[in-house]
Amino acid sequence: QSALTQPRSVSGSPGQSVTISCTGTSSDVGGYNYVSWYQHHPGKAPKLMIYDVSKRPSGVPDRFSGSKSGNTASLTISGLQAEDEADYYCCSYAGSYTYVFGTGTTVTVL
Amino acid sequence: EVQLVESGGGLVQPGGSLRLSCAASGFTFSNYWMHWVRQVPGEGLVWVSGINSDGSSTSYADSVKGRLTISRDNAKNTLYLQMNSLRADDTAVYYCARGGGYYEFDSWGQGTLVTVSS
Repeated sequence: QSALTQPRSVSGSPGQSVTISCTGTSSDVGGYNYVSWYQHHPGKAPKLMIYDVSKRPSGVPDRFSGSKSGNTASLTISGLQAEDEADYYCCSYAGSYTYVFGTGTTVTVL
Repeated sequence: EVQLVESGGGLVQPGGSLRLSCAASGFTFSNYWMHWVRQVPGEGLVWVSGINSDGSSTSYADSVKGRLTISRDNAKNTLYLQMNSLRADDTAVYYCARGGGYYEFDSWGQGTLVTVSS
């Protein structure tokens, strides 16, 4: 149950796009189409942004999109806005009703 | 509106025990998987444990197996985490999360801080 690997930080100017990668193994990311992404502002409850690799819950802007190729999933934020500045975590189902989160990425809006 | 409110955190000595609670409202609690996720200050989220809707099936991260026990009381709409043999590395904010329709966590509480220290 090793954590999925994410870049420590990414940054972009307002209006730009940023992509966060999430690399796992064939036992988690590569083995299931059950990758989810969470936005976390420190001190607040994490918020679900993407589930099942690329599905958006109602209320999440379509600026947020997800994809997966092999053992790596990605979250793209298009048209970056100031309120998108937060920590982002990927999470994958890992079998036997267990889950593994990513190491987390801090998104900075310049 | 879905609400999850954790309680029971605090300061405990190494080797001690603590029971966390998560009071749920705004949805039919007995229909959902529930989970505990923790975050060591300054570090990332880590899934800890999950329990199915009727409490008959549980799962744990390897790091907590044998020391932490998840349970639920559907009559009281409450999720629990019994924490025994606590260690310094169990110090974290513990979040309660609802399992969504598939394999995601669609609602979260604000968390409760557990500090293990002498």
